[in-house]
Amino acid sequence: ILNVEQSPQSLHVQEGDSTNFTCSFPSSNFYALHWYRWETAKSPEALFVMTLNGDEKKKGRISATLNTKEGYSYLYIKGSQPEDSATYLCVGGAGNMLTFGGGTRLMVKP
Amino acid sequence: GAVVSQHPSRVICKSGTSVKIECRSLDFQATTMFWYRQFPKKSLMLMATSNEGSKATYEQGVEKDKFLINHASLTLSTLTVTSAHPEDSSFYICSARDYRQGPRGYTFGSGTRLTVV
Repeated sequence: ILNVEQSPQSLHVQEGDSTNFTCSFPSSNFYALHWYRWETAKSPEALFVMTLNGDEKKKGRISATLNTKEGYSYLYIKGSQPEDSATYLCVGGAGNMLTFGGGTRLMVKP
Repeated sequence: GAVVSQHPSRVICKSGTSVKIECRSLDFQATTMFWYRQFPKKSLMLMATSNEGSKATYEQGVEKDKFLINHASLTLSTLTVTSAHPEDSSFYICSARDYRQGPRGYTFGSGTRLTVV
């Protein structure tokens, strides 16, 4: 995976809003797609890793889907809370290699 | 869960000096360690991959004599920026690979902000 794109780059939402971000990647040479949540001055926290087309993962109010045929993944946050404010990284894995997207910076206003 | 401790979190050094950054896996053995660099408004970019007990593999464009990587044990890897220049100012972060966890087995340090003055 050579190029992982994320959109939007940043996003401001109100507390309680639901939101979603997009990650696109080349569908060839796909192995795994990771989502990380990264707060400033902390280590990126693994949210999900998906490997199969059609995978859907959920962790509390956060969920993700994967479409390897068309090369995209969505991350959804239901009922955003201020503590969800972070940068969300989409990472493509091929073999041992990780390729990072630029991240989506989410800011949730109380 | 798996934890990687990275130090220092911030460092300011003078041009021409060397800076060492450490990453330790606290509760697992990190056979492979990755070192990344992030310039402002850019994605994390892989600098090098190191396996315990062997020489690091550097990505194209990364000077191995400038960025010395040592992975002498299964729990410790270090990155030394030698003869630092202001253009080396960046955010550096490590990631340790725990193969027992399959594709999810990547654990990151918290990063080091290097400023060279």
